[in-house]
Amino acid sequence: DQQVKQNSPSLSVQEGRISILNCDYTNSMFDYFLWYKKYPAEGPTFLISISSIKDKNEDGRFTVFLNKSAKHLSLHIVPSQPGDSAVYFCVIGSQGNLIFGKGTKLSVKP
Amino acid sequence: EAQVTQNPRYLITVTGKKLTVTCSQNMNHEYMSWYRQDPGLGLRQIYYSMNVEVTDKGDVPEGYKVSRKEKRNFPLILESPSPNQTSLYFCASSLSSYYTEAFFGQGTRLTVV
Repeated sequence: DQQVKQNSPSLSVQEGRISILNCDYTNSMFDYFLWYKKYPAEGPTFLISISSIKDKNEDGRFTVFLNKSAKHLSLHIVPSQPGDSAVYFCVIGSQGNLIFGKGTKLSVKP
Repeated sequence: EAQVTQNPRYLITVTGKKLTVTCSQNMNHEYMSWYRQDPGLGLRQIYYSMNVEVTDKGDVPEGYKVSRKEKRNFPLILESPSPNQTSLYFCASSLSSYYTEAFFGQGTRLTVV
């Protein structure tokens, strides 16, 4: 059974607008969450993370929100840029193992 | 430049012919791991290594072997490849198992016919 669920396989957003990518997880014991970005023909690259002691972490245009009671996290990109077009993976960090969601393909249109 | 290097990038092989995919990192990381990515399934961990001579199975280890004789290298071995091992493989390293921000290689696309 999936431990990390990204229910939207794709998302299309206009340049300059906000992109919101969502993720749900099943195990309330998970305590470290990450977002990775992946371009075609490249390996995933780390984007932003949050630990369970926080509910928000911000890094420039990227903000991750964590709702522990709902077992939900989201990634906000504001403003979205065409270079943000990529596949975004919601990832749980658990004792060094990274548990990946299936990914959401974001397309930012000029 | 900090990097994880995989070789080869692309490989087509036949069923049953042993192959090795190499992985090397130059960051003195303790923790290394292998993932495979399949359509609709995200990335799944195959094997990981917490340090030299310490390896363990991930979520999908069947049909694979690994070794960690040196800190920088973590090869993935397919003793008898089968078509269901056709996939995109990624090697990753991180400072330790408790530092989960990992650096990934560029991937190896393997086709087994």
